[in-house]
Amino acid sequence: DAKTTQPNSMESNEEEPVHLPCNHSTISGTDYIHWYRQLPSQGPEYVIHGLTSNVNNRMASLAIAEDRKSSTLILHRATLRDAAVYYCILRDPIYNQGGKLIFGQGTELSVKP
Amino acid sequence: GAGVSQSPSNKVTEKGKDVELRCDPISGHTALYWYRQSLGQGLEFLIYFQGNSAPDKSGLPSDRFSAERTGGSVSTLTIQRTQQEDSAVYLCASGAGSSYNEQFFGPGTRLTVL
Repeated sequence: DAKTTQPNSMESNEEEPVHLPCNHSTISGTDYIHWYRQLPSQGPEYVIHGLTSNVNNRMASLAIAEDRKSSTLILHRATLRDAAVYYCILRDPIYNQGGKLIFGQGTELSVKP
Repeated sequence: GAGVSQSPSNKVTEKGKDVELRCDPISGHTALYWYRQSLGQGLEFLIYFQGNSAPDKSGLPSDRFSAERTGGSVSTLTIQRTQQEDSAVYLCASGAGSSYNEQFFGPGTRLTVL
């Protein structure tokens, strides 16, 4: 699976949108882009994933660049509960058939009241 | 429904002792993963089960580490002759059907080796 690059940390104000960037310039055509987050003292939890098209779910939106070399996780209205480490992970079903997650350092998001 | 559960939640052991960590996945999930999270290494993959077999053991750090899964359900991670560098949070995750479905993580077992 190709490598991703994320900022180490970001800050947001409560109830404002947050855009978390991820660069993956060596992404392959079969890599899916997955986002997980880890709240303090908890195991990671799935947020969203996509391949080429933008995706929305109840937690967030995923905007994927046309060349797929970058993506952005969008939290539409940050809450204090969204303070977590956010991981952008590429998973290739061809070369990673087991689906294991390869975590990078992630982005630590802090949310100010 | 019930999520992934792990036991014990905390384990303190002395260097050189063996420990067993247990994971109960979500019922019906065929895929099961073990990861560990330590301060120096971040979150790292250890082993993957599909049913009772482990097609990917590439993350196990040494032959002191082993894992098994029985009945396509419960899994046990065993660490023999524990070392201080084994201190970490050990996380289990399970997934349904396709390995590309989302993984559901348990709360982890915090292992401290004195």
